[in-house]
Amino acid sequence: GENVEQHPSTLSVQEGDSAVIKCTYSDSASNYFPWYKQELGKRPQLIIDIRSNVGEKKDQRIAVTLNKTAKHFSLHITETQPEDSAVYFCAASITGGSYIPTFGRGTSLIVHP
Amino acid sequence: KAGVTQTPRYLIKTRGQQVTLSCSPISGHRSVSWYQQTPGQGLQFLFEYFSETQRNKGNFPGRFSGRQFSNSRSEMNVSTLELGDSALYLCASSLGHGGGGETQYFGPGTRLLVL
Repeated sequence: GENVEQHPSTLSVQEGDSAVIKCTYSDSASNYFPWYKQELGKRPQLIIDIRSNVGEKKDQRIAVTLNKTAKHFSLHITETQPEDSAVYFCAASITGGSYIPTFGRGTSLIVHP
Repeated sequence: KAGVTQTPRYLIKTRGQQVTLSCSPISGHRSVSWYQQTPGQGLQFLFEYFSETQRNKGNFPGRFSGRQFSNSRSEMNVSTLELGDSALYLCASSLGHGGGGETQYFGPGTRLLVL
């Protein structure tokens, strides 16, 4: 089955710095890669996703890049703010038919004011 | 639209008992997925229901089961509870047309503690 590795497990940055979280996956058939943000005590929320026919996607301060050859994808957050502090999860799945998302273990991002 | 709701929010059970959790999806959403979240294992996919049928299943023992009703509401049942079943159980709903690859909206979760 699919295996998703996520690094780092904890990331501490100063407000205004950039943060990068990386995930690797094992199943080359995976074609959908969402990222979720989970604030303490709250539900996970989708923040951005990317499909295998796209190499990069941006949404304001957040971007995701995908390297299908290397089977890794990354979340980039620029100009971090204290409200970005949360646990971020990546996931990989195959759309259509057998949809069994596999999640990374999560990255706890701490943004210091 | 109202968001995904889950009941109850908290549960305390003892080993050997069984438990039923409920999830009401966003109106119009036909797919409901269930996840188990623990500090050690992270988020793990349990199963997905679409149009009252289990469409996908994760790698969990048969003690974990679910069903979906005609109004898309879903229930999850865990029988013969074990200490390791203590977790936050999340459900998520989506339109369900794409067989995955759609935005999933999570509920607040049910926190289950097994003593």
